Amino acid sequence: GAGVSQSPSNKVTEKGKDVELRCDPISGHTALYWYRQSLGQGLEFLIYFQGNSAPDKSGLPSDRFSAERTGGSVSTLTIQRTQQEDSAVYLCASSLAVGSWEEDEQFFGPGTRLTVL
Amino acid sequence: RKEVEQDPGPFNVPEGATVAFNCTYSNSASQSFFWYRQDCRKEPKLLMSVYSSGNEDGRFTAQLNRASQYISLLIRDSKLSDSATYLCVVNSNYKLSFGAGTTVTVRA
Repeated sequence: GAGVSQSPSNKVTEKGKDVELRCDPISGHTALYWYRQSLGQGLEFLIYFQGNSAPDKSGLPSDRFSAERTGGSVSTLTIQRTQQEDSAVYLCASSLAVGSWEEDEQFFGPGTRLTVL
Repeated sequence: RKEVEQDPGPFNVPEGATVAFNCTYSNSASQSFFWYRQDCRKEPKLLMSVYSSGNEDGRFTAQLNRASQYISLLIRDSKLSDSATYLCVVNSNYKLSFGAGTTVTVRA
C-alpha cells in the first residue's frame, strides 16, 4: 500500500523567502509528526498532530515556523522568511495512534531536502 | 545534555563478524525504546522495538537496562546489507527522541 509521501523532494530557496512543505500520511493514520534532520544530527521533533489539532508545538524552532493539518489528512509545514540555518531534511511521519504508545509505530516519509541559499 | 546519546562510530567490520553498540538516554520516565535503521539519504525505518526482558529478531538482539538508562543492539553474522546508520529512539508518550546514529559498515 501507499506509504507516507512528501513534496517537494527537494527545495532550494533564497534567504528571506517563504516555503511550504507538504505531507500525505498513510490513509487512516490519525497521528502525524514533523521532524527535522540537520547534517550529522539526530532527528529533531517539531510538532505533533492528533487529527487536525496540534497538542504539542513545543519543537517549532521559532515563530517563523507553522503547521496545519486539514481533514485529518494532509499537513503543510510553512517556514516564513527562511534563514540559512533552516537548511535540513524535513521528515514527516504518521501512525495509527490506537492502543499504547509503546506499540505505535511511526512510519516516515522520504523527506523534503530544504536548502536555503 | 542530549536526550539520547550514541557512539557515532563508524564501526567497520568484516562480513560474518559480530558488532555491538549502545546508547544512553536521560529521561528516566521514558516509556518505550526502539532501534531504527537509516540508509544513506533515506528515511528512518523501524528495525525493532526494545523490551525490558531483551529481545531477538533473527541476527539482531536488543537489550534495555532501565537502571543504567542504556540500550544496546548486537548484530551477529553481519551481512553487507547491514551497512547503515542505526538510530536509538526513545519514546515518551508520542514524542520520539532520536540519537544522532551509529554508522556501521560491513566489508566483504
